[in-house]
Amino acid sequence: KAGVTQTPRYLIKTRGQQVTLSCSPISGHRSVSWYQQTPGQGLQFLFEYFSETQRNKGNFPGRFSGRQFSNSRSEMNVSTLELGDSALYLCASSPIAGKDEQFFGPGTRLTVL
Amino acid sequence: GENVEQHPSTLSVQEGDSAVIKCTYSDSASNYFPWYKQELGKRPQLIIDIRSNVGEKKDQRIAVTLNKTAKHFSLHITETQPEDSAVYFCAAEGYALNFGKGTSLLVTP
Repeated sequence: KAGVTQTPRYLIKTRGQQVTLSCSPISGHRSVSWYQQTPGQGLQFLFEYFSETQRNKGNFPGRFSGRQFSNSRSEMNVSTLELGDSALYLCASSPIAGKDEQFFGPGTRLTVL
Repeated sequence: GENVEQHPSTLSVQEGDSAVIKCTYSDSASNYFPWYKQELGKRPQLIIDIRSNVGEKKDQRIAVTLNKTAKHFSLHITETQPEDSAVYFCAAEGYALNFGKGTSLLVTP
C-alpha cells in the first residue's frame, strides 16, 4: 500500500496570508490527525478527523481549521499567518479513530516571512 | 487535557550501552502508550507500544514498561547501535494522542 502523502512539501508565505495543506491517508484508513512540529516543542496535536467529522481538537487558535472529505483525504487551513506558525506540519492516518498505530506522512515545511 | 513530560531531552551513550527514556502523563484515563522514532529529516515511525492492561513489552533490543499507578512509562534500548541515533517521542492517548517533547539520542561508536 502507498504510504501517507502530503502536499506541498514546502511552502513559503508572508504574514497575513492563508495556506491550505493537503493529506492523503493510506487506502482504507478513515482517521486523519494533524500535528505541528517545532524544535523544542515536539509534536503538538491540532485535530483529528474520522469519517468526515472532527473528533478532537487541540489547543490552537481558531485560525487553524481542517476538514475531511468522503475519500478520507484531509486538508488543514491556517488563516492570517503569523511568524510563529512556521513549522513542520505532519498528518498521520490510522484505520480507526483512537488507540491504534498512526502512520505519518513526510510533512509540509511551512515558512512564514 | 493530557500532559506528557519526557526526560531527558538529550542522551548520549556509547555503542553497546543501554539507554532509558522516561515519560509521565497526567490523565489517568489514558490507556495506550506508543513510542515513535524520528530520524533526521524523516517522518516519525512507531517502534513499540503498550496498552494499560500490560506492564511490560519487549521487541528484540527494545522494551517498554508501564506503571499505571505512578502514571509513568519508560523505553529501554539495550546494546545500542549508531543507527539507534534519532529523536524518540513518547505519547499517551487520552481523548487524543499527546506527545512528549522528544529525546535526542546519540549513540557514539
